[in-house]
Amino acid sequence: NAGVMQNPRHLVRRRGQEARLRCSPMKGHSHVYWYRQLPEEGLKFMVYLQKENIIDESGMPKERFSAEFPKEGPSILRIQQVVRGDSAAYFCASSPGVGAGVSETQYFGPGTRLLVL
Amino acid sequence: DQQVKQNSPSLSVQEGRISILNCDYTNSMFDYFLWYKKYPAEGPTFLISISSIKDKNEDGRFTVFLNKSAKHLSLHIVPSQPGDSAVYFCAASTGNQFYFGTGTSLTVIP
Repeated sequence: NAGVMQNPRHLVRRRGQEARLRCSPMKGHSHVYWYRQLPEEGLKFMVYLQKENIIDESGMPKERFSAEFPKEGPSILRIQQVVRGDSAAYFCASSPGVGAGVSETQYFGPGTRLLVL
Repeated sequence: DQQVKQNSPSLSVQEGRISILNCDYTNSMFDYFLWYKKYPAEGPTFLISISSIKDKNEDGRFTVFLNKSAKHLSLHIVPSQPGDSAVYFCAASTGNQFYFGTGTSLTVIP
């Protein structure tokens, strides 16, 4: 499967626990993006990463949320001390990364549906 | 601040007819526009894109039109098929950040 992979597909957490969402970009892609979709809403940009670098995190909540894209392994979106309002679908996308600031098509993974009880 | 808007939350079209989905944007700096299709419980699938230097791009049954002066984007699907029933998102970008509309749910009636 050469597409964007996300796991887990579904994640249930109790309030106060931590949620870790993983994303493996498409083969050959070096740019990763995370989006959140709340019920009845569109996708909201959260963060844009390249290997070992956060390029733009302007859409990320300032507390409890963090993201990384290490040199080896998948990108991780981490939510600490989850609250009910964090329940949403989280999508990861990747793009080839031909150059910073260059618009290019993003390809999405199947998403992780987080439910906070 | 919603920079990309899809004002029609839903659209129903008879099979074989044309589906027209609309999208408006506010930022004149956007230089790349895309349409994605999304089925329930799946990620968005890229459909078609258009650069701001063009006003039309066609791919099979799908055509995207861009009117920069009106800051308006539309997707035409002809002929519409039942398998086209899904939520369609338009997106606009400047650099690497994408802005998505809230989606239009298309139902194609057999």
